[in-house]
Amino acid sequence: KQEVTQIPAALSVPEGENLVLNCSFTDSAIYNLQWFRQDPGKGLTSLLLIQSSQREQTSGRLNASLDKSSGRSTLYIAASQPGDSATYLCAVRFGGGQNFVFGPGTRLSVLP
Amino acid sequence: EAGVAQSPRYKIIEKRQSVAFWCNPISGHATLYWYQQILGQGPKLLIQFQNNGVVDDSQLPKDRFSAERLKGVDSTLKIQPAKLEDSAVYLCASSLTGGQPQHFGDGTRLSIL
Repeated sequence: KQEVTQIPAALSVPEGENLVLNCSFTDSAIYNLQWFRQDPGKGLTSLLLIQSSQREQTSGRLNASLDKSSGRSTLYIAASQPGDSATYLCAVRFGGGQNFVFGPGTRLSVLP
Repeated sequence: EAGVAQSPRYKIIEKRQSVAFWCNPISGHATLYWYQQILGQGPKLLIQFQNNGVVDDSQLPKDRFSAERLKGVDSTLKIQPAKLEDSAVYLCASSLTGGQPQHFGDGTRLSIL
């Protein structure tokens, strides 16, 4: 069964810290992987999309890496701000499918 | 560009009643998705449309859930009759085509009493 897990489930850090969110998936044959942000009561906002041929993607203070062989992706957030507080979800498009399988998310709180 | 529009934002019904949700995707997006997100979990795909055809409905509880996208643009998702375990946020997303980045609406929060 193709599954996506995320650790930790929740994380609280002081403002200014660099932090790493983790995503693991059970099948290394993936097409791509996407990181989303979800604010309370809102839909999902796409942050970064990594194709299976790529090792990492960067956007501003965000950097996402992909290691297919170990079934892992990390989302690195530099110099965290209170506005980064949200739930971060990882979604994997496994090979042969058109759909994403989502992890349960990591709830991030950045304290001022 | 206008985003994905969903209505209503909130709905409260009693079990065994019926309910319908509406979604209008981003203009030009051929693929439309309906997801169910239970509190504390990631979204689970219910159904995917490519234009007005169904691509994947393998996780749709067809005995009570139905969805349509008759003209290949907006879509409705219906639950009849509702059960307590259907309490969730129902998210609609669209993409240019299957496998492309998805854009999400704000969802409909359904509470079953």
